[in-house]
Amino acid sequence: DQQVKQNSPSLSVQEGRISILNCDYTNSMFDYFLWYKKYPAEGPTFLISISSIKDKNEDGRFTVFLNKSAKHLSLHIVPSQPGDSAVYFCAASAKGSQGNLIFGKGTKLSVKP
Amino acid sequence: DTGVSQDPRHKITKRGQNVTFRCDPISEHNRLYWYRQTLGQGPEFLTYFQNEAQLEKSRLLSNRFSAERPKGSFSTLEIQRTEQGDSAMYLCASSLDISGNTIYFGEGSWLTVV
Repeated sequence: DQQVKQNSPSLSVQEGRISILNCDYTNSMFDYFLWYKKYPAEGPTFLISISSIKDKNEDGRFTVFLNKSAKHLSLHIVPSQPGDSAVYFCAASAKGSQGNLIFGKGTKLSVKP
Repeated sequence: DTGVSQDPRHKITKRGQNVTFRCDPISEHNRLYWYRQTLGQGPEFLTYFQNEAQLEKSRLLSNRFSAERPKGSFSTLEIQRTEQGDSAMYLCASSLDISGNTIYFGEGSWLTVV
């Protein structure tokens, strides 16, 4: 049973527009959430994170929103750039989990010029 | 380059052979992790070290897999008697501050078992 779900395998967006990537989770013990970006044949690169005590965290063009009651988080990229084209993974961890991150299956973002 | 370093980047081996991967974490990081990623999936946790102590192992880590971190610096992941199902990307990650569980990945080691 998947504890972290990314229901959209792919997303295509025009350059300059907003990209919204979604993630749902089932485990109410999760208290920390992260987004990673991955290019082919490379390891995941950390993008942004959010603690469960917050509902929003912003870093430049990237903003993560957390809705604990809905067990849902989203990553907004504004404005989207062609270099943002990659697979984006949502991950979650529970308090005391010692770095055992639970990942979703990823969403492939394509930003078209 | 002060990121997480993994070697080799690619390995093709015949079924039944043993393979070993090496990971050098970010120098001041005392925590080191191994993950595995197969096609179409997200990374899956395998094991975790704090300094030289292996503190947690996933049930994915069968008895053919062994990981060590002898001096609390670099780590090795050995797979004995490889099977085709072991074909995957093996990712090493490290962290310093457990607060927030943000970990930083290396570029991965691709294993193909033929």
